Amino acid sequence: KQEVTQIPAALSVPEGENLVLNCSFTDSAIYNLQWFRQDPGKGLTSLLLIQSSQREQTSGRLNASLDKSSGRSTLYIAASQPGDSATYLCAVTTDSWGKLQFGAGTQVVVTP
Amino acid sequence: ETGVTQSPTHLIKTRGQQVTLRCSSQSGHNTVSWYQQALGQGPQFIFQYYREEENGRGNFPPRFSGLQFPNYSSELNVNALELDDSALYLCASSLVGTGRNSPLHFGNGTRLTVT
Repeated sequence: KQEVTQIPAALSVPEGENLVLNCSFTDSAIYNLQWFRQDPGKGLTSLLLIQSSQREQTSGRLNASLDKSSGRSTLYIAASQPGDSATYLCAVTTDSWGKLQFGAGTQVVVTP
Repeated sequence: ETGVTQSPTHLIKTRGQQVTLRCSSQSGHNTVSWYQQALGQGPQFIFQYYREEENGRGNFPPRFSGLQFPNYSSELNVNALELDDSALYLCASSLVGTGRNSPLHFGNGTRLTVT
């Protein structure tokens, strides 16, 4: 059974510092891995999607890596801003229909 | 293109009642999935619908049921509500079967509170 874990559960950093969020999964048979952002009480916004054959994806200040063999992904957010405060969720796609298995998320607070 | 829309945004029900949540898929999408997100947890897969039929189900009891309509909109029905059903219910749509499946696009969810 696939299990997705995110560490740490919460993180607080001063503005300008780089953020490093970790995600691990137990079964390497995944189709892809996604990182989502969730603001309080809101839905999910997809940030980055890494196909199983890829090692990393980049979008602006965001970079995500994937090491499928070790079951790990890391999301880097450079030069954090207060607007980056949110919960970040990682999820792996476990079948060809797109079913997602989520971690519990990392709650990030960036202080001015 | 219109995104995924869900209604209502908030709902309060009493234990034992029944509830229906609604979702309009993103234009051009043919598959809809429902997820339950309890406070402080990641979303959990409830079920998925494709061509109006259930196409996969998570670890949820039969009192959770759904429908997908010809226009690809969807409903989630929950009977005999329990306090633990209090959660954010997320709908997501995608396009499947064109050779390259699209990622899921999520709505903003319906916050259900059971008292």
